[in-house]
Amino acid sequence: DAKTTQPTSMDCAEGRAANLPCNHSTISGNEYVYWYRQIHSQGPQYIIHGLKNNETNEMASLIITEDRKSSTLILPHATLRDTAVYYCIVRPPGSGGGADGLTFGKGTHLIIQP
Amino acid sequence: DGGITQSPKYLFRKEGQNVTLSCEQNLNHDAMYWYRQDPGQGLRLIYYSQIVNDFQKGDIAEGYSVSREKKESFPLTVTSAQKNPTAFYLCASSITSTTNYGYTFGSGTRLTVV
Repeated sequence: DAKTTQPTSMDCAEGRAANLPCNHSTISGNEYVYWYRQIHSQGPQYIIHGLKNNETNEMASLIITEDRKSSTLILPHATLRDTAVYYCIVRPPGSGGGADGLTFGKGTHLIIQP
Repeated sequence: DGGITQSPKYLFRKEGQNVTLSCEQNLNHDAMYWYRQDPGQGLRLIYYSQIVNDFQKGDIAEGYSVSREKKESFPLTVTSAQKNPTAFYLCASSITSTTNYGYTFGSGTRLTVV
């Protein structure tokens, strides 16, 4: 699997856009980028995923560079409730969560400041 | 509302005792998973089940056991053989074992050995 690199922590002011980067320079052609987040003492929550086109849903936008070596998760108007650890995961489709499946590393701790 | 229920939220165990953590889902998901999370760390896979009456070891299965007698239920037993059981335990499910997105997590059980 492609390895991902994320900053350990980031701050963002409430109401501003939070941009969370992820590097995945060894990504393969069939691997998707998935984002989850984990609010303190809760289970992770799926946010969004994409292959090469930019994606948007009610929670966030995902921007993937043309060479697919990096991506950015954008929370357009961050609120205090967005404070969480954000995980960037790169996996081929259909691989699932089995023994060599979805793994959640240390992620980025995003802190929204009032 | 559909979701995953883990119980209890907090659990204290004496050394040498076995303890069982409950996980129930009403999402009609085929696949279920158990993860362990230590402070400041990511999630590590303990066991997973792709279908009823089937389960597979994850990365850190030693000292744990599971059963999958019903689609809705995937209990985890932490045995006395687990050397360092104090941790946050998360149960998850997905519609199939091959999907990478849309995982639903429970709210977790925090186990402390006293």
